[in-house]
Amino acid sequence: EVQLLESGGGLVQPGGSLRLSCTASGFTFGTYTMNWARQAPGKGLEWVSLISPSGDNIYYADSVKGRFTISRDNSRDTLYLHMNSLRVEDTAVYYCAKSVGREAPASRYFDGWGQGTLVTVSS
Amino acid sequence: EIVMTQSPATLSLSPGERATLSCRASQSVSSKLAWYQQKGGQAPRLLIYGASTRATGIPASFSASGSGTDFTLTISSLQSEDFAVYYCQQYNNWPLTFGGGTKVEIK
Repeated sequence: EVQLLESGGGLVQPGGSLRLSCTASGFTFGTYTMNWARQAPGKGLEWVSLISPSGDNIYYADSVKGRFTISRDNSRDTLYLHMNSLRVEDTAVYYCAKSVGREAPASRYFDGWGQGTLVTVSS
Repeated sequence: EIVMTQSPATLSLSPGERATLSCRASQSVSSKLAWYQQKGGQAPRLLIYGASTRATGIPASFSASGSGTDFTLTISSLQSEDFAVYYCQQYNNWPLTFGGGTKVEIK
């Protein structure tokens, strides 16, 4: 069974930084494309970033490009999201999501999700 | 960016009724369209990919169709566990984008 456990959320001031982690189990982490998505309180889903199994291919939503960095450590079965220059509008539950496959198009939709970690950006 | 528009925003139906949810893309996404279900306080669950293929473990009461810009998710007979929010997502172009969701609520 796929299990994804996010951590690292919390309260941070505007302009601050935070690093989220997602620890995976139940599948061969290093062979799957992984993602971060988020959901602002009471709002819909927003895809944030994608990283290929080797880390060679990375994509970002325009709203976070230049501020967020996705990375992974396949030896630790862990996905990361480094968030800098945080804004009030970045407040959301952040989900780690496993892609169905390693290559397009199956790498671009998601069949495993964590329970999320809440990031609150407020002064 | 491809904008995904879902309608209606809320669908009020009784158990046993048929639900029809729509998703429209601002430009063609071919058949690269997925549907997810999200129950209150839970993570989303993949229902459909490739516009019409049910994901593993999804019951046959869920069906979907469409291509290009117009897509439909149908729940043939609503069960209590089907009342939730449903999202469509296109994966034909970057960035990947979701629709705003349709809430299926008990009437």
